[in-house]
Amino acid sequence: GQQLNQSPQSMFIQEGEDVSMNCTSSSIFNTWLWYKQEPGEGPVLLIALYKAGELTSNGRLTAQFGITRKDSFLNISASIPSDVGIYFCAGQATSGTYKYIFGTGTRLKVLA
Amino acid sequence: DTEVTQTPKHLVMGMTNKKSLKCEQHMGHRAMYWYKQKAKKPPELMFVYSYEKLSINESVPSRFSPECPNSSLLNLHLHALQPEDSALYLCASSLYRVAGGPRNEQFFGPGTRLTVL
Repeated sequence: GQQLNQSPQSMFIQEGEDVSMNCTSSSIFNTWLWYKQEPGEGPVLLIALYKAGELTSNGRLTAQFGITRKDSFLNISASIPSDVGIYFCAGQATSGTYKYIFGTGTRLKVLA
Repeated sequence: DTEVTQTPKHLVMGMTNKKSLKCEQHMGHRAMYWYKQKAKKPPELMFVYSYEKLSINESVPSRFSPECPNSSLLNLHLHALQPEDSALYLCASSLYRVAGGPRNEQFFGPGTRLTVL
């Protein structure tokens, strides 16, 4: 099925560092969602974005809805060991469907 | 409350067995979803129900049979599965709004880890 391009695929960072990841598409989306998933668990919603250019924060997390509506970015500041997991973006298309298209995921590992 | 619950947490079944996965939400959401997820891969959409009617079937084999008894419940009936069907099965729900509307978040349950022997 259709997937969004998410990068990087994986990251190894030191505790305390900032993290940036992004999601791009050739299609326009009206909604962008960012999730974190830990092994054996369901994805947990972190941030939801609804307007082009929108910047939203949730604690140390900040996400932006790209102006072109074809991309989104997630930043994590001052990473901590519990940030470890896989981060997925998901976009909802404009056609009125209730399908969410998922990115390929960014695997984050934090070194203490 | 943004909780979606799923039972069972784990399920092991033989290829001749019949089993069911259950999902429940009490957020008033009118769209409910089944996803299949393999290790290190994103969730893969299987079915979407909106207002208790099947609106999307992503060409899923008939050995998977969804059912939405009411607006809070979603079942996935399993029969004659293959070992390659072993995966994490995720249920999710969202408000039924025009795409791009506010508060169109999708919430996931914890999943059912299915192993087919």
